[in-house]
Amino acid sequence: GENVEQHPSTLSVQEGDSAVIKCTYSDSASNYFPWYKQELGKGPQLIIDIRSNVGEKKDQRIAVTLNKTAKHFSLHITETQPEDSAVYFCAAGRRALTFGSGTRLQVQP
Amino acid sequence: KAGVTQTPRYLIKTRGQQVTLSCSPISGHRSVSWYQQTPGQGLQFLFEYFSETQRNKGNFPGRFSGRQFSNSRSEMNVSTLELGDSALYLCASSFPQQGSNTGELFFGEGSRLTVL
Repeated sequence: GENVEQHPSTLSVQEGDSAVIKCTYSDSASNYFPWYKQELGKGPQLIIDIRSNVGEKKDQRIAVTLNKTAKHFSLHITETQPEDSAVYFCAAGRRALTFGSGTRLQVQP
Repeated sequence: KAGVTQTPRYLIKTRGQQVTLSCSPISGHRSVSWYQQTPGQGLQFLFEYFSETQRNKGNFPGRFSGRQFSNSRSEMNVSTLELGDSALYLCASSFPQQGSNTGELFFGEGSRLTVL
């Protein structure tokens, strides 16, 4: 089955800095790569996703890049704000999603 | 548009008991997936139902089961509870993409189960 590894497990940045979270996956059949944000006491919420026929996607301060050959994808958050503080999960799959172990992002004001 | 609703939000059970959790998906969504979230194992896929049929299954023992009703509402059941079953159980609904490919998952807030 699919195996997704996510790094780092914790990330602390100053407000205004950029944050990068990286994931690798094992199953070359995976074609869908979403990123979810989970705030305390809530369920994960999709923030951006990318399919395997696209190499990069951007939505305001958030961007995701995908390298199918190397089987890795990354989340980039620019101009971080305190409200970006949360746990972020990457996922990969085709018919069902396998999630990474999560990254706790702390944005210091 | 109402989101995914899970009940109960919190429950406490003892070892050996069984539990049933309920999930009402977003109106129009026909796919319902269940995930177990624990600090040590992260988010692990349990199963997915589409049109009352289990379409995908994760690597969990047979004590974990589920079903989906004709109105797309879903329940999951855990029998003979163990201490290690303590977790946040998340339900997610989606409007399936072409074929059986997965699409955006809309998660509920979860049911937090504590097994004593």
